[in-house]
Amino acid sequence: DVKVTQSSRYLVKRTGEKVFLECVQDMDHENMFWYRQDPGLGLRLIYFSYDVKMKEKGDIPEGYSVSREKKERFSLILESASTNQTSMYLCASSERRNTIYFGEGSWLTVV
Amino acid sequence: ILNVEQSPQSLHVQEGDSTNFTCSFPSSNFYALHWYRWETAKSPEALFVMTLNGDEKKKGRISATLNTKEGYSYLYIKGSQPEDSATYLCAFVPNTGNQFYFGTGTSLTVIP
Repeated sequence: DVKVTQSSRYLVKRTGEKVFLECVQDMDHENMFWYRQDPGLGLRLIYFSYDVKMKEKGDIPEGYSVSREKKERFSLILESASTNQTSMYLCASSERRNTIYFGEGSWLTVV
Repeated sequence: ILNVEQSPQSLHVQEGDSTNFTCSFPSSNFYALHWYRWETAKSPEALFVMTLNGDEKKKGRISATLNTKEGYSYLYIKGSQPEDSATYLCAFVPNTGNQFYFGTGTSLTVIP
């Protein structure tokens, strides 16, 4: 059974803290994605990666960075968390343009 | 940013009613159109991947059609059940790059 695992499901962080969200997939997929979901705005792409050490900005990359040192792991980094980054973050992976598989989401609250 | 629109934004139906909703996407540069179901507290899961104009796919009581020339897809649910309550997302996949462009979803509530 395919699996995308987001290690942190619920986090509360203070403004200015550095935040790491980790995602691991077990399907040997080339592509990995980070989205954020906000009410009324749908899924918005933050960053994606199509290979190890390769990354491309999505629609809303400001305030975020990513790391992909190994094929199975894609990390989202908030260098200095702000309250407007309170959201639900969803990791996903796919083999090229085939079906996307999603994690269960990470709910981040920045206070 | 490519524009993918879904309508309606939300829908409440009685158990047993049939319903449908729409995904509109660019009619050029088409590779595929995906449908996903997202139940509360779960991960979105794929329903259909559609690639050919005129495609019709079916899974149980749920079916989908695709018109790539005019840029729309319909999702139909026959005889809605409470367990069909979810947000239904469509994703447009262009034939260049590796990105998926999601609509904002249709939230379906089936009232017992």
